[in-house]
Amino acid sequence: EVQLVESGGGLVQPGGSLRLSCAASGFTFSSYAMSWVRQAPGKGLQWVSSVSASGGSSYHADSVKGRFTIARDNSKNTVYLQMHSLRVEDTAVYYCAKDLYYHGSAVDSWGQGALVTVSS
Amino acid sequence: QSALTQTASVSGSPGQSITISCTGTSSDVGRYKLVSWYQHHPGKAPKLIIYEDTYRPSGVSSRFSGSKSGNTASLTISGLQAEDEADYYCCSYAGHDTPYVFGTGTKVTVL
Repeated sequence: EVQLVESGGGLVQPGGSLRLSCAASGFTFSSYAMSWVRQAPGKGLQWVSSVSASGGSSYHADSVKGRFTIARDNSKNTVYLQMHSLRVEDTAVYYCAKDLYYHGSAVDSWGQGALVTVSS
Repeated sequence: QSALTQTASVSGSPGQSITISCTGTSSDVGRYKLVSWYQHHPGKAPKLIIYEDTYRPSGVSSRFSGSKSGNTASLTISGLQAEDEADYYCCSYAGHDTPYVFGTGTKVTVL
């Protein structure tokens, strides 16, 4: 059974930094692209970042480009989201997600989410 | 990349069928056979119910079906049940640098 467990969420001041981690199990981690998707309070789902299976390529939404970095460690079956220069509008539940087949195919597994609150 | 457009809310009685539409552009929905649909109960993880426009993952009820015409994709839920009450999101591939563009979401209410 696929399991994705996020950690690292919390309260941070505007301009601060935070790193989310997602520990994966139940599948061959190094064979699948991984993504982060967020949901702000009262809003819909929004794609944030994706990383290729090897970790050699990464992609970010324009709203986080230059501030967030996605990375993975295939030896630890873990994907990370490093967030800098956080803004109030980054407040959201952040979901770790596994791609179905390949980059952009669909997301077939989701974690339970990590809440990030950006507030002074 | 703008969000795909969905009707904000749809309602139906148990046993009825409802259809949710998802409108994009010729750069996303209309260009690739990569529209997916997700069911999201608040407080829980979203669930994939349709991928590649029309395919259902193993274990997903056959009451859910997907279709597409031009730049508009649709999700039909037949034989509506109480447990279908949830938020539904469409999503499309929009190119290598933007693998996922989500819809605005549709709240389904079972009367």
